[in-house]
Amino acid sequence: DSGVTQTPKHLITATGQRVTLRCSPRSGDLSVYWYQQSLDQGLQFLIQYYNGEERAKGNILERFSAQQFPDLHSELNLSSLELGDSALYFCASSEGLAGGREQFFGPGTRLTVL
Amino acid sequence: GEDVEQSLFLSVREGDSSVINCTYTDSSSTYLYWYKQEPGAGLQLLTYIFSNMDMKQDQRLTVLLNKKDKHLSLRIADTQTGDSAIYFCAEKYGQAGTALIFGKGTTLSVSS
Repeated sequence: DSGVTQTPKHLITATGQRVTLRCSPRSGDLSVYWYQQSLDQGLQFLIQYYNGEERAKGNILERFSAQQFPDLHSELNLSSLELGDSALYFCASSEGLAGGREQFFGPGTRLTVL
Repeated sequence: GEDVEQSLFLSVREGDSSVINCTYTDSSSTYLYWYKQEPGAGLQLLTYIFSNMDMKQDQRLTVLLNKKDKHLSLRIADTQTGDSAIYFCAEKYGQAGTALIFGKGTTLSVSS
């Protein structure tokens, strides 16, 4: 158990809908990262937040957004969903801004768009 | 851009050593990582190596780093069936060296 929690574990929805994925980092970790794992693209970095502020952006679509709240939990919002958004979404956390030595991953949320 | 390459499959017999190879492109990477993903599970950090090191050993795991060739390898000694999983190599990238770039993963299959 990495200490990073994600909910829900599974999510099934229809095209055009909007969903919210939630992540709670390890106790004491200030950085939260979101990654997407799909069969064709592999594991891709989406976005990082540090202590409530956006710090780095990767291959995140404009239809996707994220935020980190004062209690440090983070949410990833996916809107106007398409079939290709079906993937496993991971949250990771680390203690510092630069990621420290280690990023610890949550169990992931499997999103299926029908 | 940055890219991390790994071979896709490796098959070994129980008790043999496994060697999973990886090449990376960002010479400024500070840390390089190996993660393990079992079926239906998340990513488990196995080990990491700082870029100024050549080798790191942790029980059955040995990581070798060749900075000149940008080559990283993970050796698993006495491979067990429980080691069957997908192994991902990752490097840090970005202005502040924050996020990780992952390879596509190497599926290790261990037969008894």
